[in-house]
Amino acid sequence: GQQLNQSPQSMFIQEGEDVSMNCTSSSIFNTWLWYKQDPGEGPVLLIALYKAGELTSNGRLTAQFGITRKDSFLNISASIPSDVGIYFCAGQGFGNEKLTFGTGTRLTIIP
Amino acid sequence: SQTIHQWPATLVQPVGSPLSLECTVEGTSNPNLYWYRQAAGRGLQLLFYSVGIGQISSEVPQNLSASRPQDRQFILSSKKLLLSDSGFYLCAWSGKGYEAFFGQGTRLTVV
Repeated sequence: GQQLNQSPQSMFIQEGEDVSMNCTSSSIFNTWLWYKQDPGEGPVLLIALYKAGELTSNGRLTAQFGITRKDSFLNISASIPSDVGIYFCAGQGFGNEKLTFGTGTRLTIIP
Repeated sequence: SQTIHQWPATLVQPVGSPLSLECTVEGTSNPNLYWYRQAAGRGLQLLFYSVGIGQISSEVPQNLSASRPQDRQFILSSKKLLLSDSGFYLCAWSGKGYEAFFGQGTRLTVV
């Protein structure tokens, strides 16, 4: 099935650093979602975006729905140890019932 | 509030044995239901999704099948497991909006 291109694939950062990741698609999406997955658990929804250009925050997390509708960005400010995990973007096209997921960004914090 | 239950949490099965994983949703009606598989360190692969009772769409041809006998029950099955069926299986639901919510997952090891 179709997958979104998510980058970077992995990140190694120090605590306190800011983090940026993005997701791109060859198709236009109507909705963009960002999830975080802790080891051995299901992904948890962080932010949902519904309008092109929309910028939404959830605490230290900020996500944007790209103007072209073909991309989305997630930023994490002042990272802390509990931010470790895998971050997935997901998108849904017009009139499409199913979500398409990105390949994930694995975030590791270096002591 | 809505909740999703998935069981068992872990399962070890011999090659050639049958499989049945169950997922139920509470607190909503007529949800869209999904089965995903995640290989170790990899992204989410959509296996099946359902928009209503008895309506199943298959994304990937394989020896797995899905059924939806009741509105809020989604079952993943196999008649004969293969080694390649090992992985982390996730059930998810969404309303007629686009945000999907995941269960805790089932870690399946085929030996």
